[in-house]
Amino acid sequence: RKEVEQDPGPFNVPEGATVAFNCTYSNSASQSFFWYRQDCRKEPKLLMSVYSSGNEDGRFTAQLNRASQYISLLIRDSKLSDSATYLCAVFKAAGNKLTFGGGTRVLVKP
Amino acid sequence: ETGVTQSPTHLIKTRGQQVTLRCSSQSGHNTVSWYQQALGQGPQFIFQYYREEENGRGNFPPRFSGLQFPNYSSELNVNALELDDSALYLCASSLTVAGSSRRETQYFGPGTRLLVL
Repeated sequence: RKEVEQDPGPFNVPEGATVAFNCTYSNSASQSFFWYRQDCRKEPKLLMSVYSSGNEDGRFTAQLNRASQYISLLIRDSKLSDSATYLCAVFKAAGNKLTFGGGTRVLVKP
Repeated sequence: ETGVTQSPTHLIKTRGQQVTLRCSSQSGHNTVSWYQQALGQGPQFIFQYYREEENGRGNFPPRFSGLQFPNYSSELNVNALELDDSALYLCASSLTVAGSSRRETQYFGPGTRLLVL
């Protein structure tokens, strides 16, 4: 089983709709959690850190469920520019290692 | 922009050759992590450098090695290149606070795209 798993998608989303997807992690010692956005042939860019209480940044909401070991990302009022691959990343102190999932591809269509 | 720079942007090598990739960290950051990202996959952790020493390593063979310099910039060296080494190589910089278990967010450079023929 991979340490961090994501549904690869693609999620085809009508413009203006809401889309949500999860990322599961296997190591309960994981400490910090992040969502990155990656456009085609570009580097990952930090979208948001994920806190225990959940957090929101504009149209984006991230949640952490430690009991079930997953994080989620919800995008409201999807824009065409939201089309990208969304990578979740999980950090655990042992090994100073940030582990990424394979990414979830989102395609927002008019 | 993150302020993290990498060079070169693209590189073509042949099997068996050696390559050196370079990364300059963001101002105020003291830690550099290197990742390999194959097409269609997430980035895979190679290693991290802090205080000019390797500070964590992923599942990569010894022919992947690195350095960190006093100005916090870093190099990734790969010897005896193989076809499967073709990938996007990303470096990420962050701040490590001595004695703290908190890990700050990592910010990525634009990457070096390596093609091994």
